[in-house]
Amino acid sequence: GAVVSQHPSRVICKSGTSVKIECRSLDFQATTMFWYRQFPKKSLMLMATSNEGSKATYEQGVEKDKFLINHASLTLSTLTVTSAHPEDSSFYICSAGQGRGYTFGSGTRLTVV
Amino acid sequence: DAKTTQPTSMDCAEGRAANLPCNHSTISGNEYVYWYRQIHSQGPQYIIHGLKNNETNEMASLIITEDRKSSTLILPHATLRDTAVYYCIAQNTGNQFYFGTGTSLTVIP
Repeated sequence: GAVVSQHPSRVICKSGTSVKIECRSLDFQATTMFWYRQFPKKSLMLMATSNEGSKATYEQGVEKDKFLINHASLTLSTLTVTSAHPEDSSFYICSAGQGRGYTFGSGTRLTVV
Repeated sequence: DAKTTQPTSMDCAEGRAANLPCNHSTISGNEYVYWYRQIHSQGPQYIIHGLKNNETNEMASLIITEDRKSSTLILPHATLRDTAVYYCIAQNTGNQFYFGTGTSLTVIP
C-alpha cells in the first residue's frame, strides 16, 4: 500500500529560527500533497494543498510567508516554518495519495522555545 | 464542502460491535464519504470509504443511507486497540479533506 514518510518526527527549535519538515511518498508519485496542523485535543486543520511544480494553495487564514511549501518533485513536499514562535508549536501532518485514497504521514511534533 | 457531524464520544464493550454514526446532510452527489481514525500522536489511519453502496473490508463496514445524508461505521468486534478518535469526512472535488471534530471511541474491557 501507499506509504508516506514524514521527517523529523519531533523537533525543538529556538524562537526566531526556521524549521523544515519533509513529506515523502515512498512507493508512488504524488502530484498533490496536503499539509495539516493539529493542536492538542483538537481536530486536524487543513493548511495548504501542495502541487508539484506549481505554487501551493493556502487555506484562508494561513500565512503563506510564514509556512513556505515547496513541492519540487513527485515524491517530496516540504513545509518550512519561518521565524518560528512559541504559538507555532503544534503537530504538523502531511498526506498524499493516488486517486481517491490518501495516506497520512506519522506527523511532526514541533516545539518552539 | 459538505460538513459532517459526529457524536463527541462513545463507549463500546470489548468484543461487541461499535457503531459510529455520522451526519452529512449537505453532501453532494459526487462527494465520497471517508472514515479515518487517529490514535494519540499519530497520523490518521485510513479505514474505509464509499459513495452510495455499503462497503466492507477487513477493518470495518460502512453503511450509507439511501439519501446519502448519513452513514454508520461498524467495527464488528471491537478490541482495546480500536480506542481512537474516528473521523467521518466528505471528500470534496478537489480531493481535500476537511476534518470535523470526530468521535472519541473508548473500548472498555
